[in-house]
Amino acid sequence: DGGITQSPKYLFRKEGQNVTLSCEQNLNHDAMYWYRQDPGQGLRLIYYSQIVNDFQKGDIAEGYSVSREKKESFPLTVTSAQKNPTAFYLCASSILVPGELFFGEGSRLTVL
Amino acid sequence: AQKVTQAQTEISVVEKEDVTLDCVYETRDTTYYLFWYKQPPSGELVFLIRRNSFDEQNEISGRYSWNFQKSTSSFNFTITASQVVDSAVYFCALSGEQGGKLIFGQGTELSVKP
Repeated sequence: DGGITQSPKYLFRKEGQNVTLSCEQNLNHDAMYWYRQDPGQGLRLIYYSQIVNDFQKGDIAEGYSVSREKKESFPLTVTSAQKNPTAFYLCASSILVPGELFFGEGSRLTVL
Repeated sequence: AQKVTQAQTEISVVEKEDVTLDCVYETRDTTYYLFWYKQPPSGELVFLIRRNSFDEQNEISGRYSWNFQKSTSSFNFTITASQVVDSAVYFCALSGEQGGKLIFGQGTELSVKP
């Protein structure tokens, strides 16, 4: 089945550790995105990529890093520089225009 | 700058009631796209509808209907005869003429009680 796969679904991390969230899509979409969702809030854009080997910062990129070496994959690393990393992370992909996003099931990160 | 406002944080209704979720947007683009998503308790966002700025026709899909009015920059969503399964957080979103990245509203949590 076509879709977006995020892993892991739940992740616990100690303060000071980096952690990488995986996102893979088999929809042949050019664009991929990472959003962060905090309780009772909307989604905020972390990073996005419209083409392989290129990506742009979103509204809250500080403390995060990404790579786009393959069209299918867009991993997100939450670094120790991210002050409040506990959140729900959602990966999405789309064709560029008109661009409705298709989302994965999300990864819930908890920092202990 | 682009912005989406969903003024209703939480709405609670009894099953079979009709309910309207409000969405107001701001953009300077001539061409833009509006979306509604549903987020059930499982967490995954489900795409419901897309509208482009040149198409002001209202749309109906089963119990769901959408009212797009450029004059008031609104894209409201109505659920007719609500059901318990409609309980979720609903997000309105906007993308500009380049497409791609979406700007989301804060979401409206709908609770439908039996």
